Amino acid sequence: AQSVTQLGSHVSVSEGALVLLRCNYSSSVPPYLFWYVQYPNQGLQLLLKYTTGATLVKGINGFEAEFKKSETSFHLTKPSAHMSDAAEYFCAVSFQTGANNLFFGTGTRLTVIP
Amino acid sequence: EAQVTQNPRYLITVTGKKLTVTCSQNMNHEYMSWYRQDPGLGLRQIYYSMNVEVTDKGDVPEGYKVSRKEKRNFPLILESPSPNQTSLYFCASSSRGGQVNSPLHFGNGTRLTVT
Repeated sequence: AQSVTQLGSHVSVSEGALVLLRCNYSSSVPPYLFWYVQYPNQGLQLLLKYTTGATLVKGINGFEAEFKKSETSFHLTKPSAHMSDAAEYFCAVSFQTGANNLFFGTGTRLTVIP
Repeated sequence: EAQVTQNPRYLITVTGKKLTVTCSQNMNHEYMSWYRQDPGLGLRQIYYSMNVEVTDKGDVPEGYKVSRKEKRNFPLILESPSPNQTSLYFCASSSRGGQVNSPLHFGNGTRLTVT
């Protein structure tokens, strides 16, 4: 079965600390991987995506993620958390080049402590 | 400004009273989709449409209807709402080519409460 799992529904970090949000996928075909962010009272917006090529992907607001095939992971990181990073983050996967459908993880709510 | 517009943002209704949530996009996107978001479950797809007059069921279509008579509009219809349809709903759109080439653009959501 093809799926995506986010470990940890809530993550708290201090301002300035490293942010690490975990995402693992299960797939029998090469996946296309995405991170979306949802700020309070807003819709989701794309943070970054991995399709092919370089496995370390940089996104907006200083976030990056690394595709590790051997670990079936696509963890999201940011070296130094900012108060404005407080939001809910969703990992998502697509399994076909021409597909518009995304399968979303259950989300991780990030709290940044001043 | 490129956007997906949903209305209303908040809706409280009673069981069995038909309602429609509208969704409109101004980006000439072929693909549109409806999701519901529930705590601990993430986003689950209700229905999607690859183009005008083409709609398909997603993962949780029961109790919902959609139509795609025009490219820009994709309303979500609840013929007889029930309390288990209380949720946060999102409409999204993207251009042809799939997620590899075109990210989903989301509306700001509609919070529905059915009593």
